[in-house]
Amino acid sequence: DAGVIQSPRHEVTEMGQEVTLRCKPISGHNSLFWYRQTMMRGLELLIYFNNNVPIDDSGMPEDRFSAKMPNASFSTLKIQPSEPRDSAVYFCASSSGLAGRQNQFFGPGTRLTVL
Amino acid sequence: SQQGEEDPQALSIQEGENATMNCSYKTSINNLQWYRQNSGRGLVHLILIRSNEREKHSGRLRVTLDTSKKSSSLLITASRAADTASYFCATGGIFQGGSEKLVFGKGTKLTVNP
Repeated sequence: DAGVIQSPRHEVTEMGQEVTLRCKPISGHNSLFWYRQTMMRGLELLIYFNNNVPIDDSGMPEDRFSAKMPNASFSTLKIQPSEPRDSAVYFCASSSGLAGRQNQFFGPGTRLTVL
Repeated sequence: SQQGEEDPQALSIQEGENATMNCSYKTSINNLQWYRQNSGRGLVHLILIRSNEREKHSGRLRVTLDTSKKSSSLLITASRAADTASYFCATGGIFQGGSEKLVFGKGTKLTVNP
């Protein structure tokens, strides 16, 4: 079992550039979550999908952030344009049930640094 | 503000001692979960306790839930240096906005000294 796969593991970019983070959930899981973790704000839920449909995107900071899930085995989180305050660790997680009812399996995270 | 808040923020103990971490929350939940995060890694699920349960065990872990006080505790018995990590509580339920989700606290950083 490969677990949740995220890429890249580290990303360093300059302000204004587009950043795309990728996630492959555990096969058979029907819910996928994107989180952001910083020292100041802790772990924040950005968006989650159930059966490839966005259910709650209230945590997406602003229009610069967008997420897609074109199929059950792939999701992307895009930041365009990126800003220094977007620097954080971004986690993808998946679960076999509705959000909040089942345990979630986390990927290793993408550490994003925006200069 | 956070739905779940852990206490203490940091805890340092000696190997072999027990570690107790607490979590308080504000609104009704359908379950509460504890996760562990080693430095530089993703979170790992430890245990889930449902709102109609009062206590649950898993190996050296013991979790209690008091819905009347809106609080939970995680006890790690006979701690080991390998238990050094951050521990997060997460509450599952329907929160602001009307969607069901899992909301994480800011965590307790546990250090177990050999």
